[in-house]
Amino acid sequence: DQQVKQNSPSLSVQEGRISILNCDYTNSMFDYFLWYKKYPAEGPTFLISISSIKDKNEDGRFTVFLNKSAKHLSLHIVPSQPGDSAVYFCAASAGDAGGTSYGKLTFGQGTILTVHP
Amino acid sequence: SQTIHQWPATLVQPVGSPLSLECTVEGTSNPNLYWYRQAAGRGLQLLFYSVGIGQISSEVPQNLSASRPQDRQFILSSKKLLLSDSGFYLCAWSGENTGELFFGEGSRLTVL
Repeated sequence: DQQVKQNSPSLSVQEGRISILNCDYTNSMFDYFLWYKKYPAEGPTFLISISSIKDKNEDGRFTVFLNKSAKHLSLHIVPSQPGDSAVYFCAASAGDAGGTSYGKLTFGQGTILTVHP
Repeated sequence: SQTIHQWPATLVQPVGSPLSLECTVEGTSNPNLYWYRQAAGRGLQLLFYSVGIGQISSEVPQNLSASRPQDRQFILSSKKLLLSDSGFYLCAWSGENTGELFFGEGSRLTVL
């Protein structure tokens, strides 16, 4: 059962334009969402996160939007740069009172973003 | 600053051979530690997590095991590898009550 889905395996964007990466989830217990960026043969690096009490979080060129009713989140990159080309993973977690769930992330399959110069 | 390191980076092993991947974290104490696996064309799947020395929780039934002999050391093992164990293994750590994971460089395992 794929609780976090990234339905677009790849996305190609021109430099300077907006990149929009989408993610859907099914588990209503998820309350914390993250985006990670991964280059080949490297570990993922954290990009941006959002708590379920918010619907938007912005950090420089990166903005994450959360629509709880639709169980959908998206990552916007504006403007896109060739160095943004990587695999982007959406991840979610369901917190518990002890906090030990917070690092137990459920990941999507990833979307390969290619930004053309 | 905190660092995480795992090794070996690349491993080619025959079916039925043992496995040991090691991960260490520096610059933090009592981290939560995790082993994830990325199979070809798939997302990252949580295999094990640990909230303290000797405390291991398994998320999926499998041919692998994990151990945490020291606070900042996490080991992934197998007595006999299967072809299906091939993949990219990632160690990660997080602080208490935080959702952000910090990943190691990854270990590429190919079982032939």
